Amino acid sequence: GQNIDQPTEMTATEGAIVQINCTYQTSGFNGLFWYQQHAGEAPTFLSYNVLDGLEEKGRFSSFLSRSKGYSYLLLKELQMKDSASYLCALFTSGTYKYIFGTGTRLKVLA
Amino acid sequence: DTAVSQTPKYLVTQMGNDKSIKCEQNLGHDTMYWYKQDSKKFLKIMFSYNNKELIINETVPNRFSPKSPDKAHLNLHINSLELGDSAVYFCASSHALAAQETQYFGPGTRLLVL
Repeated sequence: GQNIDQPTEMTATEGAIVQINCTYQTSGFNGLFWYQQHAGEAPTFLSYNVLDGLEEKGRFSSFLSRSKGYSYLLLKELQMKDSASYLCALFTSGTYKYIFGTGTRLKVLA
Repeated sequence: DTAVSQTPKYLVTQMGNDKSIKCEQNLGHDTMYWYKQDSKKFLKIMFSYNNKELIINETVPNRFSPKSPDKAHLNLHINSLELGDSAVYFCASSHALAAQETQYFGPGTRLLVL
């Protein structure tokens, strides 16, 4: 089966850096996604990792270690608008399913 | 232009009723999905369709019946609504059913069963 773990909540200060971790167990790993979801809105795509290493995209970076079943999303220069839930998701080959974690609710304080 | 649209946005109904939610995407994608997000914000796949063909039916009660009249539309009909069906239902689409494909989500339908 598949399992994804993320912290439920995190708090950080405007301008700071925050790292949101995601650990997973799966057979048939075929990619890991991060999505951002503001309260009352739809999830929107942030990043995709399929190979080990760091993918950087502006203020957001995502890291993957397949051997450790571990990913993190790094948010730099935090802004108030970054207050949202961040969802880690796996795509599993064979089942062709996206499995989402329960999400990490990030609060950015002034 | 909205990429993935759903109607209605809000749906309040009595237990036992039958209701439908409609979804349309204008992205030219081949694959569409229905997700349920419960009160704990857990987003769970219900169905996925690829080129109008059902690919995934994730142990959803058969009171839920998806229908895809064409690649751009995936509707969800729910019979005999129960209290536990209260949730936000998201439609999504992707270019194809493949690992690297980003999903684009609709705005969600907030269903409340009384």
